[in-house]
Parts: sequence; structure tokens; C-alpha cells
Amino acid sequence: DQQVKQNSPSLSVQEGRISILNCDYTNSMFDYFLWYKKYPAEGPTFLISISSIKDKNEDGRFTVFLNKSAKHLSLHIVPSQPGDSAVYFCAARPNTGNQFYFGTGTSLTVIP
Amino acid sequence: KAGVTQTPRYLIKTRGQQVTLSCSPISGHRSVSWYQQTPGQGLQFLFEYFSETQRNKGNFPGRFSGRQFSNSRSEMNVSTLELGDSALYLCASSRLSPGTGFGNTIYFGEGSWLTVV
Repeated sequence: DQQVKQNSPSLSVQEGRISILNCDYTNSMFDYFLWYKKYPAEGPTFLISISSIKDKNEDGRFTVFLNKSAKHLSLHIVPSQPGDSAVYFCAARPNTGNQFYFGTGTSLTVIP
Repeated sequence: KAGVTQTPRYLIKTRGQQVTLSCSPISGHRSVSWYQQTPGQGLQFLFEYFSETQRNKGNFPGRFSGRQFSNSRSEMNVSTLELGDSALYLCASSRLSPGTGFGNTIYFGEGSWLTVV
């Protein structure tokens, strides 16, 4: 049972434009969310997080939005750069758990 | 400071064999989690250790086991390997157990690529 879903396996964006990666979850007990970026043959690298008490968190070119009522979060990358081309995973943790649940990832390609 | 270190990076095993993977967490981190990544399946949680105690376990068969030592280093073992165990095994560390408040991010190593033939 996939509690965290990334329904778009891939996304292509022109350099300089906005990339929007989406993530949906089913468990209303999730209260902490993370985004990771992964290059081939490397481990995931932490990008940005958001807790359920916020609806937006920003760090440089990366902004994460959380819509608790819709059980949806999104990662915005502005402006997109070719070096952003990677697989992006969202992850969520329930307020009573010790594990993170990961989505299946979205492969972002930024076209120069 | 040094990141999460996993060894070996690549290994090939034969069906029926067993394998042990090692993970050294970031200095000062006491929690170690293990994940399996296979194509199309995302990262599947295996187990989490904190202060040498397994705190949580994912939905994997008993062939998958782990342990944590007093210096927070961790090992995971897979016995009686099957072809389907071929995957990238990722170790992640955090300062506290992942269930502790906000801001307790987990940081991943580069993983151990296991191929079972």
C-alpha cells in the first residue's frame, strides 16, 4: 500500500522556467515531509522539509508547499537549471512513527 | 564533517548466499535506518536502530536483519539471497530517532549495490 504517491514518473522543463513536482499522501497522521534529490549511482540528498504546522517553506530556488486538506505537497524550483536534472523523492513521516515513507520518485530533466 | 559511509559499494552474490552490508553514520548521529530501492518501487523501509535497539521494522521477511553497535555503526544482513533481493541498499542516519519532533532530517549514504545472480 503506497501511502506516498508521485504520480508523474517524469517531467521535462526548459532551463530558466519553473519546475513543479507533486506528491500526494493518504495518511492524515503524516506531519513532517521531506524532499530529496538523487543522481544516478549516488544516495539521495536532502533538499528541503516542511512540518504540518506550516503551508510553505522556502530555501533559495526551492519552495515546498503543503496543502493538508488535499493531502498534497509540491516542490517548486525556480529558475530551473540543467544541474537540477535528477530524480526527486518526497517522503513523509507520521506523528507517531520512526520511519519515513517515500514516493516512487519523479525524474526531472531540465533542457538547456 | 564526514557523511554517511556505506561499504561495500558494489557486490555480486549468488542465490542462496548471504551478505552483510555496513554503515557508518555521521558523527554524533545515533539513529540508523536502512532502505531498499528497486526500480519503480521507490525507497522501502527496512528497519531503524537507535542506541543499539531496533525501534521499527518494515514489511520484509525475516531473512533481512540488522544490528547496531555501541559506536552507532550498523550492519544489515540478508540470508538465503534471492534474485529479487537485487537492489540498492541505502543507509540513513539522523541525530535523533526520526520520530522525534521536526527538523530531525535523515541523511543518506551513497548506497550498496547488490546484484544476486
